[in-house]
Amino acid sequence: QVQLVQSGAEVKKPGASVRVSCEASGYTFTNYAMQWVRQAPGQRPEWMGWINAGNGKTKYSQEYQGRLTITRDTSANTAFMELRSLRSEDTAVYYCARSPLFLLDFDFWGQGTLVTVSS
Amino acid sequence: DIQMTQSPSSLSASVGDRVTITCRASQGISNDLGWYQQKPGKAPKRLIYAASSLHSGVPSRFSGSGSGTEFTLTISSLQPEDFATYYCLQHNSYPFIFGPGTRVDIK
Repeated sequence: QVQLVQSGAEVKKPGASVRVSCEASGYTFTNYAMQWVRQAPGQRPEWMGWINAGNGKTKYSQEYQGRLTITRDTSANTAFMELRSLRSEDTAVYYCARSPLFLLDFDFWGQGTLVTVSS
Repeated sequence: DIQMTQSPSSLSASVGDRVTITCRASQGISNDLGWYQQKPGKAPKRLIYAASSLHSGVPSRFSGSGSGTEFTLTISSLQPEDFATYYCLQHNSYPFIFGPGTRVDIK
């Protein structure tokens, strides 16, 4: 069965960077894309960007241009999301979600990683 | 950017009730719309994709319809495990946008 397992909760200071991992199993990693979404407390989910796990091409929301990098390691079936220059408003739960390349919606989700930004 | 709205923002219903949630897009998105269920402290789960296709393993009491700018999610007979928040998602054009959500509570 499809499983996406994310790394654990993080606490960061303003200005720092955070890197969240998402290890996939139960399917052929390189046949799909991986999306990243975040959700601040009490808010709707917010799309951040995605990576084609096969060829490594990425697409980012303009909201995060310059601060966000999504990568993948095909040997480890793992995708990564790095967000830099953190501020308090980046406090949220960050999710990875698998995405069929022909559809680009989000069919299976990771469990989420809480990132807290606080001085 | 495409704007997504949902109505109602919340509703109270009883077990066995028929529930309909509407999602509207500010411009046409063909059928590039999904519906997701989220329970407190949990990740969203896909219910419907391509506006009207049922995700594998999702009970048949859930159905979706619509195309273009107006979409509906219907729960034909509400069950206790269906009390949750429901979001629509447009993935037709960037940035992908989730609707503001509809919270379904127990009456």
